[in-house]
Amino acid sequence: DQQVKQNSPSLSVQEGRISILNCDYTNSMFDYFLWYKKYPAEGPTFLISISSIKDKNEDGRFTVFLNKSAKHLSLHIVPSQPGDSAVYFCAASALSGNTGKLIFGQGTTLQVKP
Amino acid sequence: DAGVIQSPRHEVTEMGQEVTLRCKPISGHNSLFWYRQTMMRGLELLIYFNNNVPIDDSGMPEDRFSAKMPNASFSTLKIQPSEPRDSAVYFCASSLTVAWDQPQHFGDGTRLSIL
Repeated sequence: DQQVKQNSPSLSVQEGRISILNCDYTNSMFDYFLWYKKYPAEGPTFLISISSIKDKNEDGRFTVFLNKSAKHLSLHIVPSQPGDSAVYFCAASALSGNTGKLIFGQGTTLQVKP
Repeated sequence: DAGVIQSPRHEVTEMGQEVTLRCKPISGHNSLFWYRQTMMRGLELLIYFNNNVPIDDSGMPEDRFSAKMPNASFSTLKIQPSEPRDSAVYFCASSLTVAWDQPQHFGDGTRLSIL
């Protein structure tokens, strides 16, 4: 039973355009969400996070939106750059629960074409 | 500033052999996590430590897996005996505290192949 789902295994966008990566979750106890980026042969690196008390968090070209009623979050990258090509993982945690360990999605491979 | 260091980067061994994966967390980080990444299950937490003490090992798949953290700068994940289904990429991560809103810093992983 996958509690965090990234239904799109891959996404291809043109340089300069917007990239939108989606993530759905099933556990209503999740109250903190993170996005990690992973290049080949490297470990994931933290990108941006959002608490459930917010519906948007922005950091430069990266914005994460949270829709709690739909149990859905998305990562927007504007404008997309070739260096953004990587695998993106969303992760969720129930901070207020007894075990707040991160549950990761399967990842979405983003390719930004020059 | 050194990140999380894992060794070896690649390990190929035969079924039944003992495998030891090593991790050096970022200096000053009090929490250490071991993850496994497979095509089927994605990235899953195996075990984590806080101040060198194992807190939650519920993700460890079987008794064949064990992890230790003898001091603040070193941890091992051991598989004995190894099986082909253990083939995966194993990541170690560390963070300042065990608070789950603290970003975790990952090493580059050990790619393990059991023949």
